[in-house]
Amino acid sequence: DGGITQSPKYLFRKEGQNVTLSCEQNLNHDAMYWYRQDPGQGLRLIYYSQIVNDFQKGDIAEGYSVSREKKESFPLTVTSAQKNPTAFYLCASSRETREDGALHFGNGTRLTVT
Amino acid sequence: AQSVTQPDIHITVSEGASLELRCNYSYGATPYLFWYVQSPGQGLQLLLKYFSGDTLVQGIKGFEAEFKRSQSSFNLRKPSVHWSDAAEYFCAGATSGTYKYIFGTGTRLKVLA
Repeated sequence: DGGITQSPKYLFRKEGQNVTLSCEQNLNHDAMYWYRQDPGQGLRLIYYSQIVNDFQKGDIAEGYSVSREKKESFPLTVTSAQKNPTAFYLCASSRETREDGALHFGNGTRLTVT
Repeated sequence: AQSVTQPDIHITVSEGASLELRCNYSYGATPYLFWYVQSPGQGLQLLLKYFSGDTLVQGIKGFEAEFKRSQSSFNLRKPSVHWSDAAEYFCAGATSGTYKYIFGTGTRLKVLA
């Protein structure tokens, strides 16, 4: 079955360390996204990419970085510059068509930084 | 500014009762609209979507939503709730050509046996 795989499910890091979250999709979708979810705040867009080797900042990109070297992969690095990195991170993908722009989500990575 | 609002943070219903979750949007033009459901610790699953055409949209798990332009609303409904429907529900909007999705803050549904 096609889908989006995020790994690991749980991640623990010490403050000051960079950490990379993995996201892989086999849906052949052009667009990929990273969202951050905090209780009571809905989903906030960190970065998105509509094509390989190109990506755009979302609403809360500070302290994060991404790469899109392959269509299937969109890893997110949480750097030590991110002030409050503990959160639930969701990766998503979508087609670039007018008729099916729905987001498809992975099962998320819960990051805890102490 | 574009926005999606879910006025109810928590809703509790009895099993077998009907359900309506509210969603209001503010966009310059008619957006694409979506409802997602999230179980604890999981990703979001698409319930249904509205792009154009028929304003009553059928989704999975027996859910439906009605787009009302005059009220800027896209409320989610289910005639008879099951205990397994307990989850958090998110409404989202997107503008054609941008694929920048705006999510509401979610409504947590509790189902009483």
